[in-house]
Amino acid sequence: DAGITQSPRHKVTETGTPVTLRCHQTENHRYMYWYRQDPGHGLRLIHYSYGVKDTDKGEVSDGYSVSRSKTEDFLLTLESATSSQTSVYFCAISDKGGQPQHFGDGTRLSIL
Amino acid sequence: AQSVTQLGSHVSVSEGALVLLRCNYSSSVPPYLFWYVQYPNQGLQLLLKYTSAATLVKGINGFEAEFKKSETSFHLTKPSAHMSDAAEYFCAVSDSGTYKYIFGTGTRLKVLA
Repeated sequence: DAGITQSPRHKVTETGTPVTLRCHQTENHRYMYWYRQDPGHGLRLIHYSYGVKDTDKGEVSDGYSVSRSKTEDFLLTLESATSSQTSVYFCAISDKGGQPQHFGDGTRLSIL
Repeated sequence: AQSVTQLGSHVSVSEGALVLLRCNYSSSVPPYLFWYVQYPNQGLQLLLKYTSAATLVKGINGFEAEFKKSETSFHLTKPSAHMSDAAEYFCAVSDSGTYKYIFGTGTRLKVLA
């Protein structure tokens, strides 16, 4: 299995609090992605990274920010969590742009 | 704009029967097409991908898919369903060379004994 670790795996928090999700890879892949999965919507891209300090927005980026200070780590931050951000978040990596090849096991985030 | 439509959010088949999961796409340029499988509480696993080579693509676990440009389809099939195939399956499309990777809404496959 590809070396992708998401942390935490589960989190419950309150509206208005900041939340940071971490994705760590040991594959030395250039590209990293954050998706959210919601019933009836499949997976939707939040942000992606094409290198250290190189990131860009996906289709549902409002309310989220990301950072990538080193190859192996890609952080997703909700500055002020809202109930609409309750979801399952997946990190993915690839060595080819646009084609996520390996996914983490997800983080289930509940915002009350 | 790219889009992917998966017909049928739930599909049930008997063990040993043919599996057919449908995916239609729209893309303004020749696309890359993918099928992923997701088991409960896990991430997605790539089953197979089409990148403009052979139109019949073979993947893991006995699955295959055929790219039909005239029908804008990329249906996933397996000749004989196994209980272990029960999972959710996602079709995805990507314009070559871009990061716009669009997933379908998924089809949950149930295999009946």
